[in-house]
Amino acid sequence: EDQVTQSPEALRLQEGESSSLNCSYTVSGLRGLFWYRQDPGKGPEFLFTLYSAGEEKEKERLKATLTKKESFLHITAPKPEDSATYLCAYCEVSGGGADGLTFGKGTHLIIQP
Amino acid sequence: DTGVSQDPRHKITKRGQNVTFRCDPISEHNRLYWYRQTLGQGPEFLTYFQNEAQLEKSRLLSDRFSAERPKGSFSTLEIQRTEQGDSAMYLCASSPRETQYFGPGTRLLVL
Repeated sequence: EDQVTQSPEALRLQEGESSSLNCSYTVSGLRGLFWYRQDPGKGPEFLFTLYSAGEEKEKERLKATLTKKESFLHITAPKPEDSATYLCAYCEVSGGGADGLTFGKGTHLIIQP
Repeated sequence: DTGVSQDPRHKITKRGQNVTFRCDPISEHNRLYWYRQTLGQGPEFLTYFQNEAQLEKSRLLSDRFSAERPKGSFSTLEIQRTEQGDSAMYLCASSPRETQYFGPGTRLLVL
């Protein structure tokens, strides 16, 4: 069964302490791998789309990378405002036009000052 | 603000009542999606529209749920005979291609 698993479930870091979040996925045909940030009580905010193994994208303190089975979200020198839940999702290649995303449960990140 | 908007933001209802939520997508996006999210979980896909055509429905979308997108613009999601298990955040997203942009969500509480 296709699925996506995120680890760790929760992570507490000191301000400035870099780390990585993991997203493992199993899907027969990957159309896209997505990272979102979600603050409490709000909708997910788009961060990155990755399409093929070896691809990398960066935005401020965040960098997303993709292999054939995993994606990583690297956070460099995080600040307290980076505290949020980070969600990983994929879209599967499908001839039927299905475009719904399959999400992991997320990593709850807390950055302490 | 030209993002996805949803209305209402919060809804409290009694079990057995019907509720309807509205989503206004980003104007140039022809694809629209509904998701449901419960506490501690990622969003779960419910249904997908391309313009006015409903192209996919998840098995999570029981017969009590119906969605429409008349004229390919805004969309509504109706839940009939609500149950306590329907309590969740209902999210709408729109996209021009693969990347989906989410609205703020409607939080539903069924008493």
